[in-house]
Formats: sequence, structure tokens, C-alpha cells
Amino acid sequence: DTGVSQDPRHKITKRGQNVTFRCDPISEHNRLYWYRQTLGQGPEFLTYFQNEAQLEKSRLLSDRFSAERPKGSFSTLEIQRTEQGDSAMYLCASSFREGSGYTFGSGTRLTVV
Amino acid sequence: QKEVEQDPGPLSVPEGAIVSLNCTYSNSAFQYFMWYRQYSRKGPELLMYTYSSGNKEDGRFTAQVDKSSKYISLFIRDSQPSDSATYLCATIQGAQKLVFGQGTRLTINP
Repeated sequence: DTGVSQDPRHKITKRGQNVTFRCDPISEHNRLYWYRQTLGQGPEFLTYFQNEAQLEKSRLLSDRFSAERPKGSFSTLEIQRTEQGDSAMYLCASSFREGSGYTFGSGTRLTVV
Repeated sequence: QKEVEQDPGPLSVPEGAIVSLNCTYSNSAFQYFMWYRQYSRKGPELLMYTYSSGNKEDGRFTAQVDKSSKYISLFIRDSQPSDSATYLCATIQGAQKLVFGQGTRLTINP
């Protein structure tokens, strides 16, 4: 296990389409996070899982966004009816316990045209 | 006011120079502070992780936290072209949510 893996690396989609991203965390990490980063900005928190339970969601996560982590392993982030404002880098991170370091994946870059 | 403020730069220095990167934060309850390095089109990579006030050194990197002034710093000694990246400061809000600064884009010129 070499780190947090995200798929796909890049996604170009037409406005109004649905997209789904996948994150595979480090295997022994029970905490998983999704962040969104736009150009020239720091990452912004979207949501957090501890095992399979989604414990916190940001106000940034509109009704068009949904995240799951079945069985507490990999996670998916789905965006329905994409808008141009959804264009960003979507980052996944995992950690072992509260207060420990977070390991980020390389991200999925979404472009909505 | 943003919870974590960071000058976006860009900052350009010659190879071998000492680099100083800084952030301020608004909430005195923040206890954990991190510096991440992010290369273009990559995810952030954890560089330094400190708890409360004080200094922490790791090779050419030193992280400093001054809780009295809500100021965090990262110093890079003997800077190398490979240090060229965006540097993000962050703290933990609540039990688990990272709050980032805007990031400072750094270029080390050979």
C-alpha cells in the first residue's frame, strides 16, 4: 500500500451530466476526508467519514453532492447535474486517528464544459 | 475574516537563500498546526506537524508556532530548486477538519 489512490485523475464532463470519483485510502486508516481545491486557493473541507459513518458535511456540499463509504474502505463522491462552478480539484485524504497526520491523494481534476 | 490567512505570493528567491513563510490564524483554540507542500497538479504532502507553541526542526525545515500572536512560520534553509512548490499552512478545527490557508507559491531560482 503506497498511499491514497484516487481515480480518475482527470475528468471532463458536459454541464448537467453526473460524475463519480473514487478514493482508496491507506488500508489501516479509518478516517477519510474529501476536500475541494480551486485554482490559487487552499483545499476546502467537504465531508468526513469515520469507518462507514459520514460524521460531518460542509455547507459547500449541496444536495447535488453525495458521498459514500460502504464497508468503511473505499469512498465515492458523486456530483449530479454538474455545473461549471463544480470545476475544481477534488482531493481525498485519510488518517489513522484524531490528531494524526493526514495523507492526501493526487486528486481528481474535474472540468465541466 | 478567514480562519487562516496566508500571503499567496508569489515568492521568488535565489538558490541557497533562507525562505520564511508565514500564516496567521484567528481562533486561539487551535492546537495542531501543519505545513503542506503541493507540487503542480499533485495533492498536498505533509511536511511538518506541530502541537501548541514552540519550534520543530526536520532537516532543512523548521516550523515555528507563536500562540500568543497566533502566528505560524516555516523556515527553509539552503533552499533548492526542488523546493519550488506551493506551501500551505493548516490547522485542525474541531476534532478532525483541516482548515487551510490560501497557499504561498514559492520559486527557487538556480
